[in-house]
Amino acid sequence: AQRVTQPEKLLSVFKGAPVELKCNYSYSGSPELFWYVQYSRQRLQLLLRHISRESIKGFTADLNKGETSFHLKKPFAQEEDSAMYYCALRYGQNFVFGPGTRLSVLP
Amino acid sequence: EAQVTQNPRYLITVTGKKLTVTCSQNMNHEYMSWYRQDPGLGLRQIYYSMNVEVTDKGDVPEGYKVSRKEKRNFPLILESPSPNQTSLYFCASSLGTSIYNEQFFGPGTRLTVL
Repeated sequence: AQRVTQPEKLLSVFKGAPVELKCNYSYSGSPELFWYVQYSRQRLQLLLRHISRESIKGFTADLNKGETSFHLKKPFAQEEDSAMYYCALRYGQNFVFGPGTRLSVLP
Repeated sequence: EAQVTQNPRYLITVTGKKLTVTCSQNMNHEYMSWYRQDPGLGLRQIYYSMNVEVTDKGDVPEGYKVSRKEKRNFPLILESPSPNQTSLYFCASSLGTSIYNEQFFGPGTRLTVL
């Protein structure tokens, strides 16, 4: 069955430190992967897609089909990056989301 | 303003009392979807619709119904709610399901079934 896992429920880093939010998926077909973010008191919104060629808000994510991973990275975390992050997989017309990782960037 | 709206935002009800959560979008999107969000489980897809009169089950459709009579509306119906349907519900819409189509989410409806 299609599945998305995010092993960290909570990730705390200091401002300016690198951050990596992990995402692994299981899908036998050609995956389409997304990162969604939910800032405090805001709606869930798309951060980036696996076909994004440029960084979004300083974030990048590389699809590694060999490791079935789609980790989200940012070299220097900012306090405004604190939010809930969800990795999502599209298969057919369906979407499956991971459980989410709460990123807390400390001053 | 282009957006997805949901009503009500908060609802407390009792077991067995039929309820409907409305979802509406003003972006002429063809694809609409309902999700429930539970702690530790992320968002799970309940139902989705590719267009008017076309609906299909997601991963957790049991206990729910939907309809898509108009392009802009996609109500979620709980015919006989049970406590295990207590959850946070999100509606979303997009032009289609292509990798290039972004899903836009509603603000969420927090449902408590006593």
